[in-house]
Amino acid sequence: ETGVTQTPRHLVMGMTNKKSLKCEQHLGHNAMYWYKQSAKKPLELMFVYNFKEQTENNSVPSRFSPECPNSSHLFLHLHTLQPEDSALYLCASSQDRGDSSQPQHFGDGTRLSIL
Amino acid sequence: SQKIEQNSEALNIQEGKTATLTCNYTNYSPAYLQWYRQDPGRGPVFLLLIRENEKEKRKERLKVTFDTTLKQSLFHITASQPADSATYLCALVQGTYKYIFGTGTRLKVLA
Repeated sequence: ETGVTQTPRHLVMGMTNKKSLKCEQHLGHNAMYWYKQSAKKPLELMFVYNFKEQTENNSVPSRFSPECPNSSHLFLHLHTLQPEDSALYLCASSQDRGDSSQPQHFGDGTRLSIL
Repeated sequence: SQKIEQNSEALNIQEGKTATLTCNYTNYSPAYLQWYRQDPGRGPVFLLLIRENEKEKRKERLKVTFDTTLKQSLFHITASQPADSATYLCALVQGTYKYIFGTGTRLKVLA
């Protein structure tokens, strides 16, 4: 149990579907992150939220839309995805102390397959 | 742009030996460097953090070094066990939130 829960664990969708990924953290952290992990590539940071405010958007296509209603919940809304978007999507949280020293706590990811 | 390089080749070692994994970075000099472990089908798990003014950090059988001149960190597992088999990732943070990860090195400890 990592304290960060992601649902669903697996998702198969067509290119025209709309779906959402959900992340919930039970650690009292104030920063939450979405990452994409593809085979043989490093983790790619997508979005960062701190106290519900988006602080980073790493040039992510608009077909990915994040939402952070509070410090414990993070969503990634998916629409009109492409086959190359198939990957493991990881959510993480950390406690922001104004420096870069805090470790990240990851969920186990959603394995997304686009048909 | 900042880049982290880890040996993408898998590392196979015999049980009981010391495994040494390498992380090299370019450009930006981070104040901290972190190491994570990732098992198949799971998210990364934080292991150790080392600060730029620390040469070495230990935790049980794990040891991390940080050489800011060489822009390199080494991660050692002593008395390795088959349960140590996993992918190990290093990461640095640019600014406050921009975590940059390496591709990871897959370690296999042979019984």
